[in-house]
Amino acid sequence: GNSVTQMEGPVTLSEEAFLTINCTYTATGYPSLFWYVQYPGEGLQLLLKATKADDKGSNKGFEATYRKETTSFHLEKGSVQVSDSAVYFCALSGWASGTYKYIFGTGTRLKVLA
Amino acid sequence: ETGVTQTPRHLVMGMTNKKSLKCEQHLGHNAMYWYKQSAKKPLELMFVYSLEERVENNSVPSRFSPECPNSSHLFLHLHTLQPEDSALYLCASSQERVNQPQHFGDGTRLSIL
Repeated sequence: GNSVTQMEGPVTLSEEAFLTINCTYTATGYPSLFWYVQYPGEGLQLLLKATKADDKGSNKGFEATYRKETTSFHLEKGSVQVSDSAVYFCALSGWASGTYKYIFGTGTRLKVLA
Repeated sequence: ETGVTQTPRHLVMGMTNKKSLKCEQHLGHNAMYWYKQSAKKPLELMFVYSLEERVENNSVPSRFSPECPNSSHLFLHLHTLQPEDSALYLCASSQERVNQPQHFGDGTRLSIL
């Protein structure tokens, strides 16, 4: 079946450091891929998405490229801020049993220190 | 009002109480979901409703009872809960058969005394 694997956290960085959070997936067919962010006390918010191979999703300085050859969708940001401290979830939606099923990774907590 | 709204945001209840969580979506979606989020555990899908019909129930104990009266509203009725049921309960919605992301509410933080 479909699955998503993302790196364990927490990830602790200094402000303005470069961020990478790894995500790999297994899926049949052509899933869409997503990154969600969850700030303390809130639900999951869609951060960015990519719907086909080689698509690059981007938002708020974050980017991720859908790499079919390596089945990866790593999240990157060139210069993190304290306000980026949150939990990040990689997810996919893929066709299974006549509908789209959503699979989430376990989440990676990011702490950015001033 | 837009998006997915959950009420209440916080709920404290005893093990013998009966309460309900409410979710409302204003996105025109036709599928709705309940998830449980516990500390240090992956997100757990509990129930899926598509076109107001329950299409998935992931071995959730009967003390949780979902209800979907129409495509905009979803309830989770709670009774005789256990301390291990304390968690953040998230509602989400999406458009059925369209490969688009789910949209989440801010959740109800449930504490069982």
